[in-house]
Amino acid sequence: GESVGLHLPTLSVQEGDNSIINCAYSNSASDYFIWYKQESGKGPQFIIDIRSNMDKRQGQRVTVLLNKTVKHLSLQIAATQPGDSAVYFCAENRYSGGGADGLTFGKGTHLIIQP
Amino acid sequence: DAGVIQSPRHEVTEMGQEVTLRCKPISGHNSLFWYRQTMMRGLELLIYFNNNVPIDDSGMPEDRFSAKMPNASFSTLKIQPSEPRDSAVYFCASSRPLRGAGEQYFGPGTRLTVT
Repeated sequence: GESVGLHLPTLSVQEGDNSIINCAYSNSASDYFIWYKQESGKGPQFIIDIRSNMDKRQGQRVTVLLNKTVKHLSLQIAATQPGDSAVYFCAENRYSGGGADGLTFGKGTHLIIQP
Repeated sequence: DAGVIQSPRHEVTEMGQEVTLRCKPISGHNSLFWYRQTMMRGLELLIYFNNNVPIDDSGMPEDRFSAKMPNASFSTLKIQPSEPRDSAVYFCASSRPLRGAGEQYFGPGTRLTVT
């Protein structure tokens, strides 16, 4: 079946540097993409989302880029901090507009911030 | 806001026993989701409800799994009989469907161990 997957299982960056986490998706019907952060022992936490009619969206220190041509999604975190250390998941959804749908998650990338 | 509440946080049981996981969604949220997380398979959607009605249970692995949502503030996920391969962290999440399908708020999870 179609699925969302990640290129790199582990990413290590120096504190203060920028990090980029990548994600490939295969379901061309997906029209809504989300990044979640999961810290050890906790549930996933929403970071940022983007709809398929956009190619970029910015939040506080985070930017999500969407390239529909190659079905690629990325999360950029600027000026990384120790608190950014976590597993990051991309997820996709087919937003119906009339109600919520369940998410399909990628396998996750473990981001490690080196002091 | 208390967030999504799940109980118990940890459950250890023997194979063949019945297990019931509980979830209280955030007040005012119309959609509720059950996910399972394992190292091998990542985060998987099991079932979700909109306005207390089950919408998609195609992710429920077997007939041993069942979920109910008798009212807007309570849901259960039951496994009967449980098996060692059911060992995982089970997450409940809730959302407001009109706010954006991806903005799901996750509970802390229930770590289930079946021996």
